[in-house]
Amino acid sequence: DTAVSQTPKYLVTQMGNDKSIKCEQNLGHDTMYWYKQDSKKFLKIMFSYNNKELIINETVPNRFSPKSPDKAHLNLHINSLELGDSAVYFCASSLLLSAGGLAGELFFGEGSRLTVL
Amino acid sequence: GESVGLHLPTLSVQEGDNSIINCAYSNSASDYFIWYKQESGKGPQFIIDIRSNMDKRQGQRVTVLLNKTVKHLSLQIAATQPGDSAVYFCAFRGYSTLTFGKGTMLLVSP
Repeated sequence: DTAVSQTPKYLVTQMGNDKSIKCEQNLGHDTMYWYKQDSKKFLKIMFSYNNKELIINETVPNRFSPKSPDKAHLNLHINSLELGDSAVYFCASSLLLSAGGLAGELFFGEGSRLTVL
Repeated sequence: GESVGLHLPTLSVQEGDNSIINCAYSNSASDYFIWYKQESGKGPQFIIDIRSNMDKRQGQRVTVLLNKTVKHLSLQIAATQPGDSAVYFCAFRGYSTLTFGKGTMLLVSP
């Protein structure tokens, strides 16, 4: 059983298009994340949601809009795609271990490789 | 074409050697640290973690060492195998997320 699954695995599209990546976790976690991994393998947090509420929004262009219909799903919609958006996007989930919101171990999906031409 | 791996710090070892991968962190308030392994085409996977009240923790063939004085974390892999070839990341807990360090590529030759 896949714990964190994201689709599609590969996405090739033209500049200016709008695309979405979907993520689902069956671990019963209350927190989900989107990370972006660039060509140098650097992993950078984009968004974090806890029980469908946005709790982290790093400096990400507002062309990126996450949506969490329920705590098991966190989708990422990207408008007006640019060449620089090409990357691998990882969804992850975790438990929050304390009322202070400290993250526990993250479980990652397999990644969605986005190529913008 | 470009090889992404060449942009990463790379450690090349022979099968059977011991490997040591290092990581420095800057936030002295970090209380929880994790090592992740990322194989080609896959997402990062948990290897081992350590809390700041410890300086050493051992798993199966892996040991994590934490030196809070110099803010340094290391991952030791004993008897490295070809299947250990991957990119390794250290991560530090912050508010509601983990912050990842730059990865190190481990290449194991048979």
